[in-house]
Amino acid sequence: EVQVVESGGGLVQSGGSLRLSCTASESTVNCDFMGWVRQAPGKGLEWVSIIHRGGTTLYSDSVKGRFTISRDISKNTLYLQMNSLRTEDTAVYYCARNARDLGHHWGQGTLVTVSS
Amino acid sequence: DVVMTQSPLSLSVTLGQPASISCRSSHSLVYSDGDTYFNWFHQRPGQSPRRLIYKVSNRDSGVPDRFSGSGSGTDFTLRISRVEAEDVGIYYCMHEVQWPWTFGQGTKVEIK
Repeated sequence: EVQVVESGGGLVQSGGSLRLSCTASESTVNCDFMGWVRQAPGKGLEWVSIIHRGGTTLYSDSVKGRFTISRDISKNTLYLQMNSLRTEDTAVYYCARNARDLGHHWGQGTLVTVSS
Repeated sequence: DVVMTQSPLSLSVTLGQPASISCRSSHSLVYSDGDTYFNWFHQRPGQSPRRLIYKVSNRDSGVPDRFSGSGSGTDFTLRISRVEAEDVGIYYCMHEVQWPWTFGQGTKVEIK
């Protein structure tokens, strides 16, 4: 079973920055996509950003220009650099490894709280 | 963006009875390669979501065969043949046909 572990969440003031990390037990390029999904308290799920195995990155309109997704292939690690954080970014952030037919694995999530 | 609309939004089911959740998309989910990139996820209370079904009707490894998915184009259904206690939680549909990938609002399933 593929293991995915996130870290880096915490409490930050509005306008501040955080960097989330996600380490997978299998290669980050041996799957179609890796990405971040967030869930605001008591709310549904929202895709924030993904990176294709070839390196193409995509962002939701709500974070475009503020968040940056990247990866370190040698470390099997995915990152999400979050700048200019807003209170509406408060959520549990899940890392997801999407290997399409071969599995879709999520971590346990890391909580990001943005205070005003 | 493709809008995913689930119904019902909540469901109370007797143990051992069947349950069904529908999901409708605002655009066809058939990709240019001919595949339909439509998934069902289950999120138990306090846990991260787990994918149950991919490409409409394929069960993920370890998913009990009481779960089945069907549908095509814009209309999809998740069926649970006999609900068990571990099936409580929220079920989400999700597409991957174009960015942004989007989820339905979620359907909360509880035991009656």
